[in-house]
Amino acid sequence: GAGVSQSPRYKVAKRGQDVALRCDPISGHVSLFWYQQALGQGPEFLTYFQNEAQLDKSGLPSDRFFAERPEGSVSTLKIQRTQQEDSAVYLCASSLGNTGELFFGEGSRLTVL
Amino acid sequence: RKEVEQDPGPFNVPEGATVAFNCTYSNSASQSFFWYRQDCRKEPKLLMSVYSSGNEDGRFTAQLNRASQYISLLIRDSKLSDSATYLCVVNPLYSSASKIIFGSGTRLSIRP
Repeated sequence: GAGVSQSPRYKVAKRGQDVALRCDPISGHVSLFWYQQALGQGPEFLTYFQNEAQLDKSGLPSDRFFAERPEGSVSTLKIQRTQQEDSAVYLCASSLGNTGELFFGEGSRLTVL
Repeated sequence: RKEVEQDPGPFNVPEGATVAFNCTYSNSASQSFFWYRQDCRKEPKLLMSVYSSGNEDGRFTAQLNRASQYISLLIRDSKLSDSATYLCVVNPLYSSASKIIFGSGTRLSIRP
Protein backbone atom coordinates (compact mmCIF):
# COMPACT_ATOMS: atom_id res chain seq x y z
CA GLY A 1 0.00 0.00 0.00
CA ALA A 2 0.98 3.61 -0.38
CA GLY A 3 0.31 4.71 3.21
CA VAL A 4 1.87 4.13 6.62
CA SER A 5 1.10 0.64 7.83
CA GLN A 6 0.98 -0.35 11.49
CA SER A 7 0.57 -3.75 13.08
CA PRO A 8 -1.05 -5.13 15.04
CA ARG A 9 -4.11 -2.89 14.85
CA TYR A 10 -5.28 -4.21 18.22
CA LYS A 11 -3.32 -5.81 21.00
CA VAL A 12 -4.53 -7.03 24.36
CA ALA A 13 -1.75 -7.74 26.82
CA LYS A 14 -1.71 -8.96 30.37
CA ARG A 15 0.06 -6.70 32.84
CA GLY A 16 3.74 -7.54 32.83
CA GLN A 17 3.79 -8.87 29.28
CA ASP A 18 6.15 -7.44 26.65
CA VAL A 19 4.70 -6.08 23.41
CA ALA A 20 6.15 -5.01 20.08
CA LEU A 21 4.41 -2.64 17.70
CA ARG A 22 5.52 -2.35 14.11
CA CYS A 23 5.45 0.61 11.74
CA ASP A 24 6.09 0.44 8.02
CA PRO A 25 6.46 4.03 6.76
CA ILE A 26 5.82 5.38 3.30
CA SER A 27 8.68 4.36 1.04
CA GLY A 28 11.36 7.04 0.86
CA HIS A 29 10.21 8.92 3.95
CA VAL A 30 13.23 9.94 5.95
CA SER A 31 11.55 10.94 9.19
CA LEU A 32 9.54 8.60 11.40
CA PHE A 33 7.67 9.50 14.56
CA TRP A 34 5.94 7.62 17.35
CA TYR A 35 3.11 9.18 19.36
CA GLN A 36 0.95 7.89 22.19
CA GLN A 37 -2.68 8.95 22.25
CA ALA A 38 -4.89 8.33 25.26
CA LEU A 39 -8.66 8.57 24.95
CA GLY A 40 -9.79 12.17 24.62
CA GLN A 41 -6.26 13.52 24.41
CA GLY A 42 -4.03 14.72 21.61
CA PRO A 43 -1.08 12.66 20.37
CA GLU A 44 1.82 12.84 22.83
CA PHE A 45 5.30 12.79 21.29
CA LEU A 46 7.38 9.73 22.15
CA THR A 47 10.36 9.67 19.81
CA TYR A 48 11.50 10.34 16.26
CA PHE A 49 14.06 9.06 13.79
CA GLN A 50 15.82 10.51 10.83
CA ASN A 51 16.75 7.49 8.76
CA GLU A 52 18.15 5.01 11.31
CA ALA A 53 19.25 7.66 13.81
CA GLN A 54 17.01 8.21 16.82
CA LEU A 55 17.36 11.97 17.23
CA ASP A 56 14.99 12.54 20.12
CA LYS A 57 13.56 10.07 22.61
CA SER A 58 12.64 12.58 25.26
CA GLY A 59 8.97 11.62 25.17
CA LEU A 60 9.42 7.98 26.08
CA PRO A 61 7.66 7.72 29.46
CA SER A 62 10.04 5.23 31.05
CA ASP A 63 12.91 2.89 30.35
CA ARG A 64 10.34 0.20 29.64
CA PHE A 65 9.80 1.87 26.27
CA PHE A 66 12.28 1.31 23.49
CA ALA A 67 12.14 2.16 19.79
CA GLU A 68 14.39 1.22 16.92
CA ARG A 69 14.67 1.68 13.18
CA PRO A 70 17.78 -0.31 12.34
CA GLU A 71 17.75 0.02 8.55
CA GLY A 72 16.10 3.38 8.30
CA SER A 73 12.77 2.00 7.15
CA VAL A 74 10.57 -0.20 9.36
CA SER A 75 10.43 0.78 13.02
CA THR A 76 9.45 -1.15 16.11
CA LEU A 77 8.23 0.27 19.40
CA LYS A 78 8.75 -2.18 22.25
CA ILE A 79 7.14 -1.91 25.64
CA GLN A 80 8.46 -4.15 28.35
CA ARG A 81 6.53 -5.27 31.44
CA THR A 82 3.38 -3.48 30.32
CA GLN A 83 1.32 -1.58 32.88
CA GLN A 84 -2.32 -0.54 32.74
CA GLU A 85 -1.32 3.08 32.18
CA ASP A 86 0.31 2.01 28.90
CA SER A 87 -3.14 1.41 27.43
CA ALA A 88 -3.48 3.83 24.53
CA VAL A 89 -3.35 4.12 20.76
CA TYR A 90 0.21 4.20 19.48
CA LEU A 91 0.46 6.23 16.30
CA CYS A 92 3.32 6.11 13.85
CA ALA A 93 3.85 8.88 11.31
CA SER A 94 6.36 9.41 8.56
CA SER A 95 7.48 12.39 6.55
CA LEU A 96 9.74 13.21 3.64
CA GLY A 97 11.73 15.38 5.99
CA ASN A 98 11.51 18.64 4.10
CA THR A 99 8.09 19.77 5.28
CA GLY A 100 6.14 19.59 8.46
CA GLU A 101 3.44 17.34 7.05
CA LEU A 102 3.17 14.03 8.83
CA PHE A 103 1.39 11.03 7.36
CA PHE A 104 -0.08 8.81 10.04
CA GLY A 105 -0.87 5.15 10.17
CA GLU A 106 -4.16 3.97 11.61
CA GLY A 107 -2.49 3.23 14.94
CA SER A 108 -2.07 0.24 17.19
CA ARG A 109 -4.59 0.14 20.04
CA LEU A 110 -3.01 -1.43 23.11
CA THR A 111 -5.13 -2.56 26.03
CA VAL A 112 -3.33 -3.80 29.13
CA LEU A 113 -5.46 -5.85 31.51
CA ARG B 1 2.67 24.52 31.38
CA LYS B 2 2.02 22.42 28.27
CA GLU B 3 3.98 23.38 25.16
CA VAL B 4 0.83 23.67 23.06
CA GLU B 5 -2.51 24.51 24.64
CA GLN B 6 -5.99 24.42 23.15
CA ASP B 7 -9.48 24.90 24.45
CA PRO B 8 -10.81 21.33 24.55
CA GLY B 9 -14.37 22.34 23.79
CA PRO B 10 -16.65 20.80 22.86
CA PHE B 11 -17.94 23.49 20.56
CA ASN B 12 -21.49 22.69 19.53
CA VAL B 13 -22.69 25.01 16.77
CA PRO B 14 -25.48 24.95 14.19
CA GLU B 15 -24.82 24.20 10.56
CA GLY B 16 -23.89 27.36 8.68
CA ALA B 17 -22.34 29.05 11.70
CA THR B 18 -18.85 30.49 11.89
CA VAL B 19 -16.61 29.06 14.57
CA ALA B 20 -13.08 29.93 15.65
CA PHE B 21 -10.49 28.13 17.73
CA ASN B 22 -7.30 29.42 19.25
CA CYS B 23 -4.14 27.66 20.26
CA THR B 24 -1.17 29.02 22.22
CA TYR B 25 2.38 27.75 22.19
CA SER B 26 5.17 28.30 24.68
CA ASN B 27 8.33 27.98 22.56
CA SER B 28 8.91 31.38 21.01
CA ALA B 29 11.50 29.86 18.66
CA SER B 30 8.91 27.62 16.96
CA GLN B 31 9.11 27.87 13.19
CA SER B 32 6.18 26.16 11.57
CA PHE B 33 2.58 25.58 12.49
CA PHE B 34 -0.26 23.42 11.30
CA TRP B 35 -3.85 22.43 11.91
CA TYR B 36 -4.67 18.74 11.73
CA ARG B 37 -8.11 17.18 11.78
CA GLN B 38 -8.88 13.92 13.53
CA ASP B 39 -12.16 12.08 13.09
CA CYS B 40 -13.40 9.78 15.81
CA ARG B 41 -11.19 6.67 16.09
CA LYS B 42 -9.20 7.69 13.02
CA GLU B 43 -5.68 8.97 12.53
CA PRO B 44 -4.89 12.70 12.34
CA LYS B 45 -4.66 14.24 8.88
CA LEU B 46 -3.24 17.56 7.79
CA LEU B 47 -5.90 20.22 7.34
CA MET B 48 -3.68 23.18 6.54
CA SER B 49 -0.37 24.82 7.23
CA VAL B 50 -0.33 28.19 8.99
CA TYR B 51 1.74 30.93 7.42
CA SER B 52 2.89 34.16 9.00
CA SER B 53 0.80 36.20 6.59
CA GLY B 54 -2.30 34.13 7.26
CA ASN B 55 -3.81 31.79 4.73
CA GLU B 56 -7.16 30.68 3.50
CA ASP B 57 -8.37 27.43 2.01
CA GLY B 58 -11.99 27.59 1.01
CA ARG B 59 -14.05 28.00 4.18
CA PHE B 60 -11.00 27.68 6.42
CA THR B 61 -8.73 30.52 7.47
CA ALA B 62 -5.62 30.11 9.59
CA GLN B 63 -3.69 32.90 11.24
CA LEU B 64 -0.47 33.14 13.20
CA ASN B 65 0.41 35.79 15.76
CA ARG B 66 4.07 35.34 16.64
CA ALA B 67 4.16 38.22 19.10
CA SER B 68 1.41 36.70 21.22
CA GLN B 69 2.35 33.12 20.34
CA TYR B 70 -1.01 31.97 19.20
CA ILE B 71 -2.55 30.35 16.15
CA SER B 72 -6.17 30.49 15.13
CA LEU B 73 -8.48 28.55 12.86
CA LEU B 74 -11.71 30.02 11.53
CA ILE B 75 -14.35 27.88 9.85
CA ARG B 76 -17.06 29.70 7.94
CA ASP B 77 -20.40 28.28 6.81
CA SER B 78 -19.81 25.14 8.85
CA LYS B 79 -20.99 21.79 7.49
CA LEU B 80 -22.05 18.65 9.32
CA SER B 81 -18.92 17.02 7.91
CA ASP B 82 -16.75 19.51 9.79
CA SER B 83 -17.54 17.68 13.03
CA ALA B 84 -14.19 16.40 14.25
CA THR B 85 -11.35 17.18 16.64
CA TYR B 86 -8.98 19.90 15.46
CA LEU B 87 -5.38 19.57 16.56
CA CYS B 88 -2.95 22.46 16.72
CA VAL B 89 0.59 21.41 15.79
CA VAL B 90 3.86 23.22 16.38
CA ASN B 91 7.25 22.42 14.91
CA PRO B 92 10.47 23.99 16.24
CA LEU B 93 11.93 23.84 12.73
CA TYR B 94 10.78 24.35 9.16
CA SER B 95 11.50 20.73 8.33
CA SER B 96 9.89 17.67 9.84
CA ALA B 97 13.17 16.42 11.31
CA SER B 98 12.23 17.73 14.70
CA LYS B 99 10.11 17.18 17.78
CA ILE B 100 6.67 18.04 16.47
CA ILE B 101 4.20 18.76 19.25
CA PHE B 102 0.43 18.33 19.10
CA GLY B 103 -2.11 20.12 21.23
CA SER B 104 -4.76 18.13 23.02
CA GLY B 105 -7.36 19.06 20.42
CA THR B 106 -10.60 21.02 20.24
CA ARG B 107 -13.75 19.03 19.64
CA LEU B 108 -16.25 20.49 17.23
CA SER B 109 -19.76 19.21 16.75
CA ILE B 110 -22.01 20.70 14.06
CA ARG B 111 -25.73 20.19 14.58
CA PRO B 112 -28.36 20.27 11.80
